[in-house]
Amino acid sequence: GAVVSQHPSWVICKSGTSVKIECRSLDFQATTMFWYRQFPKQSLMLMATSNEGSKATYEQGVEKDKFLINHASLTLSTLTVTSAHPEDSSFYICSASGASSYGYTFGSGTRLTVV
Amino acid sequence: DAKTTQPPSMDCAEGRAANLPCNHSTISGNEYVYWYRQIHSQGPQYIIHGLKNNETNEMASLIITEDRKSSTLILPHATLRDTAVYYCIVRLRRDGNKLVFGAGTILRVKS
Repeated sequence: GAVVSQHPSWVICKSGTSVKIECRSLDFQATTMFWYRQFPKQSLMLMATSNEGSKATYEQGVEKDKFLINHASLTLSTLTVTSAHPEDSSFYICSASGASSYGYTFGSGTRLTVV
Repeated sequence: DAKTTQPPSMDCAEGRAANLPCNHSTISGNEYVYWYRQIHSQGPQYIIHGLKNNETNEMASLIITEDRKSSTLILPHATLRDTAVYYCIVRLRRDGNKLVFGAGTILRVKS
């Protein structure tokens, strides 16, 4: 079936540094990828939608200059958290939409801790 | 945008059927209902989806009412590993067909 690989699974970084998270569709072409953020005991919150080769569409309240999304190919999207702060600590999850029969496959998530 | 309403939590005995309800009274005619589940600290796992007809796969059954305003996910023989948060989602037909998650139902399967 459709598989989405997300790396790293966890990362710890210092305040002020940037962190890049990768999301790859392994066996299908992902025309659209979605990025979510989840705080403890809360539901997933959609951050942005990206289509291959075009700029991402960000949800209201999400800073596009802080959360840089690149979707340069049909199998790879990246989320870069720039100038990370402790409040950016969260669980980040990607989802890919493409050839699979049910349309949406999620990655395993990345636990970001900013110290 | 179609919104969904689910009970915050449910308990189910191991081996029994788990019936998880979802209300989506504002759903549009061509919007699909999706069910995902999330086990702690993992990405959501697809369960099933449907439009109008009832659906069944190896994991679950999805029963959609005739007016499409509500649906029920059925796990026929719940096991302890089915303990998770279950999300009922209506796929938005505009804005890139994105999936917007609600609060979900915490299902606790107990032995």
